[in-house]
Amino acid sequence: SSELTQDPAVSVALGQTVRITCQGHSLRSYFATWYQQKSGQAPVLVIYGQNNRPSGIPDRFSGSSSGSTASLTITGAQAEDEADYYCCCRDSSGNHLGWVFGGGTKLTVL
Amino acid sequence: EVQLVESGGGVVRPGGSLRLSCAASGFTFDDYGMSWVRQAPGKGLEWVSGINWNGGTTGYVGSVKGRFTISRDNAKNSLYLQMNSLRAEDTALYHCARRDSSWENFDYWGQGTLVTVSS
Repeated sequence: SSELTQDPAVSVALGQTVRITCQGHSLRSYFATWYQQKSGQAPVLVIYGQNNRPSGIPDRFSGSSSGSTASLTITGAQAEDEADYYCCCRDSSGNHLGWVFGGGTKLTVL
Repeated sequence: EVQLVESGGGVVRPGGSLRLSCAASGFTFDDYGMSWVRQAPGKGLEWVSGINWNGGTTGYVGSVKGRFTISRDNAKNSLYLQMNSLRAEDTALYHCARRDSSWENFDYWGQGTLVTVSS
């Protein structure tokens, strides 16, 4: 199956901007989806279709992509944004119905 | 309100079997594909298996092919995962997730059911 690569950990000062990246061959064919997971909770969808936010997700979250790299940007990070973030997309390796997740990025807000 | 509630987890010995269930409510179940996603303790998310709206198409991650079977009963608004020949590396919290096929994302998740494979 395909792989998606994320930096294991990133930190950002309160109120500053942070970018979390995701790299993988499948991103050349499919948009990345981003999930936020806080400790002890189920994942929550934050960005889909490259740069769409579900209802209730603050507009400080945005997405972008270029080639085989997708990015999640948080503009003006808040303390409540501290969480693990996972990228995901369809698996382009031939699995007719399959998805692949990145390894996750732990975001610390300082 | 969309709700997904998993059940059926527990402790099982290597080589054993378990059947997970996911009860769905708050939406028209047979309008959506569904998936199982697991998370080993302290690890990241891993997609395990998926099924389309009518059960006609299924998919599995390589490590569970031939051991796990996904199914659904639209009359009961339920999703299932039959897990056979369980291994220690299958130990994880198993979430069911609703698939939005328009955007190919998982827009709702359950809280998960814990499977522990240990002798």
